[in-house]
Amino acid sequence: KAGVTQTPRYLIKTRGQQVTLSCSPISGHRSVSWYQQTPGQGLQFLFEYFSETQRNKGNFPGRFSGRQFSNSRSEMNVSTLELGDSALYLCASSLTSGVYNEQFFGPGTRLTVL
Amino acid sequence: GDSVTQMEGPVTLSEEAFLTINCTYTATGYPSLFWYVQYPGEGLQLLLKATKADDKGSNKGFEATYRKETTSFHLEKGSVQVSDSAVYFCALIPGGRDDKIIFGKGTRLHILP
Repeated sequence: KAGVTQTPRYLIKTRGQQVTLSCSPISGHRSVSWYQQTPGQGLQFLFEYFSETQRNKGNFPGRFSGRQFSNSRSEMNVSTLELGDSALYLCASSLTSGVYNEQFFGPGTRLTVL
Repeated sequence: GDSVTQMEGPVTLSEEAFLTINCTYTATGYPSLFWYVQYPGEGLQLLLKATKADDKGSNKGFEATYRKETTSFHLEKGSVQVSDSAVYFCALIPGGRDDKIIFGKGTRLHILP
């Protein structure tokens, strides 16, 4: 069974640009969550999508947005990039919504903002 | 608010040494507690969990006991291997909720051959 895949794995952007990251969950999983990982803040929850609806949202500005498609694939978008957005962005999938369901993480997309 | 505090890394040990990574938490109610591991270049994997006081989670030779009296969930392994080199994250889900998981900042572990 294929794991969670994220594309691209590495990305370099400049301030002010926007970026879209993609996540394909494990087959049959309907929930996708996104996290930002930085050395200073650790892992911080961005949002969760389940059945194409945003179910939960962390404490991030509106520049961070996401969506989920009918095949459960999810995209995350960051607009007007700032230097502080440089991070590893992790996607995790689970069978259904709710953090008690075991989450399976992808390898992440490393975003560098110059 | 709810939070998780882990010992600062990196932690460097020789192969076959005893490992302890400290984790303490602050939470209302009765949280569930987790350890995740992140190997180089990979995403996080659930290592073990405990859902109530005095529960012991174990997996791959690692153990952690949910101690409510000391609000701790320390990770231990009796004899580490080079392949255990990774970043370890302690996490909690607040009691009575299923929409929020809080991670510690992670502890990097280096095992020397």
